[in-house]
Parts: sequence; C-alpha cells; structure tokens
Amino acid sequence: NAGVMQNPRHLVRRRGQEARLRCSPMKGHSHVYWYRQLPEEGLKFMVYLQKENIIDESGMPKERFSAEFPKEGPSILRIQQVVRGDSAAYFCASSLAGASDTQYFGPGTRLTVL
Amino acid sequence: GQQLNQSPQSMFIQEGEDVSMNCTSSSIFNTWLWYKQEPGEGPVLLIALYKAGELTSNGRLTAQFGITRKDSFLNISASIPSDVGIYFCAGQYSNYQLIWGAGTKLIIKP
Repeated sequence: NAGVMQNPRHLVRRRGQEARLRCSPMKGHSHVYWYRQLPEEGLKFMVYLQKENIIDESGMPKERFSAEFPKEGPSILRIQQVVRGDSAAYFCASSLAGASDTQYFGPGTRLTVL
Repeated sequence: GQQLNQSPQSMFIQEGEDVSMNCTSSSIFNTWLWYKQEPGEGPVLLIALYKAGELTSNGRLTAQFGITRKDSFLNISASIPSDVGIYFCAGQYSNYQLIWGAGTKLIIKP
C-alpha cells in the first residue's frame, strides 16, 4: 500500500529554467495539496486540487506558478523562470475526502535554484 | 494571516528525559494536529485532536487540545534517540487548510 510518491526528490535548476514537480497520491485518494517549506519554517499551503479541478490556489504566487491534477497521471506543480527565492522543499499531501480529512504527506522535492 | 506560535524552538535533552512543547494561536481551531518530520522526509502524523479538552496518547506521546481551542501541547515521555526530529503543530478549521507552527527541533545530548 504505497504512500504519497513525489519525484524527483532533488531538483537543481538555474535561474530562468522551468521546474516540474510530480506527485502521485495514495491509492484511492482524489484530493491533492501542495505546500512549500523554507528552512527552519513550517509548511505553507499553496494549492488544493481535485481531479481536473483547482479548488483553492490562494497560497500560490499568481505569476510563474501553476498546478494541475489531470484525470490520468500525477499532479504537477510547475514553476516557470525559477528564481533563487524559489529554492525550498515542496511537499504534496493527499486525502481520501476533502474538508478536514487527514492529509498524508509525501517525502518532498527539494528544489535548489543556482 | 493566522499564525501559530510554537515553543520552544529547539530542545537539547538527555535520553530518558520527558519533553514538552506547545502551540498557541490567536484564532480558534476545530482540529489540532501534531506531526514529526525527519531530515529529508515529509511530515508524519503523530496525533490528531478533534475536541476541546481532548487528551490523546500514542505510545509515549500525549497531546491535549486546549479548552479555549487556541492551544495544544505535546508531551513525550522517556525520550529515546529515535525521537530526534522536528515536531510541528498544525491547526485546522473545518476546511482543508492547515496552519503550521515553525517547529520544535528535538536533539538528544550524547
């Protein structure tokens, strides 16, 4: 019974490149959440998606960041034209139902922008 | 936005000691959650609290949901080396958004 999978675990990009982070939720889960964590800080909510729908993207920067959760395949968090300030750990969580259902976290993708 | 104040920021303890950490908020929550994060990994849920005043245990861990719904504490009894890590509290309203504390780093002195 695999948990939440994220890949890659580590990603290095130069300024101006694109970063694509993938998240496969737990089996049977159709709710996905993305969080960002800076060093020495807690996680910050970015976006909540269900299959083919963005439910809440209030925590995601308006520019350069986008997220999707297609009918088939993993959820993707995409960062265009990365800057050094995008360097962080990005975590994906999934839940069986929405609302206050328990969220299970993946191992994260550590993005480093050179 | 909402903020959680988590303290202490870090703890240096001897193996076998008891540990206590807490979170306070200016807002009330319907749920309090405690997670542990180890280096290079995602947070793992330890304890979930759903009612004001609730006291819940998970092995050597005990957590309580404050009566005012604005605070929670986590105790670890008789700490062992594998307890090392960062412990996070998170508050949740009736929706999906988790509001996180900044974490308490637990270090076991050799």
